[in-house]
Amino acid sequence: AQKITQTQPGMFVQEKEAVTLDCTYDTSDQSYGLFWYKQPSSGEMIFLIYQGSYDEQNATEGRYSLNFQKARKSANLVISASQLGDSAMYFCAMREGWNSGGSNYKLTFGKGTLLTVNP
Amino acid sequence: NAGVTQTPKFRILKIGQSMTLQCAQDMNHNYMYWYRQDPGMGLKLIYYSVGAGITDKGEVPNGYNVSRSTTEDFPLRLELAAPSQTSVYFCASSSREGEKLFFGSGTQLSVL
Repeated sequence: AQKITQTQPGMFVQEKEAVTLDCTYDTSDQSYGLFWYKQPSSGEMIFLIYQGSYDEQNATEGRYSLNFQKARKSANLVISASQLGDSAMYFCAMREGWNSGGSNYKLTFGKGTLLTVNP
Repeated sequence: NAGVTQTPKFRILKIGQSMTLQCAQDMNHNYMYWYRQDPGMGLKLIYYSVGAGITDKGEVPNGYNVSRSTTEDFPLRLELAAPSQTSVYFCASSSREGEKLFFGSGTQLSVL
């Protein structure tokens, strides 16, 4: 089973509107972390936001917020007031703890969602 | 700030050739990683290292080797290149376990 699922291969949004990018995850660990990265067409990977499994508040970073629903195992990225420069590929990733038999050291990535912001 | 530096940015190999992808970081990070990204896919972990002299396999290690003789450098070696190794390769580092990754700019490799 996939550990990270991003069900939206592509999304479109009008400039200045908000958009939600979906991410669901699968883990039996109690301690884990969720990350979102942005990859523009230039190819670099840019860290956006992080949510720890024990964090009680949803993470926010400027126009980015993470809608963390632990019981549903979802960690959706919300981008408010979309800008043309937000057009990019967005990846959700998870870091699991020791109990999973995996390692704290590495991230597992989803397949990504391509966001296009229309003027 | 240089961060994570990868070289080369682009490379074309013939089947059976070998090469080394270089990665260096100047942030004194203990943890370093190599990922590959195939078209339309997420990143898959090839190898990682938790410190100088310590390396371990990730999800897709076959056909690759790594070494970590210093904290700064983490080269990835491709032996006997195959078309299946055509991909974009990213090196990354982090300061502590589970922390966010800092990525290099990537190496686009084609094996023909």
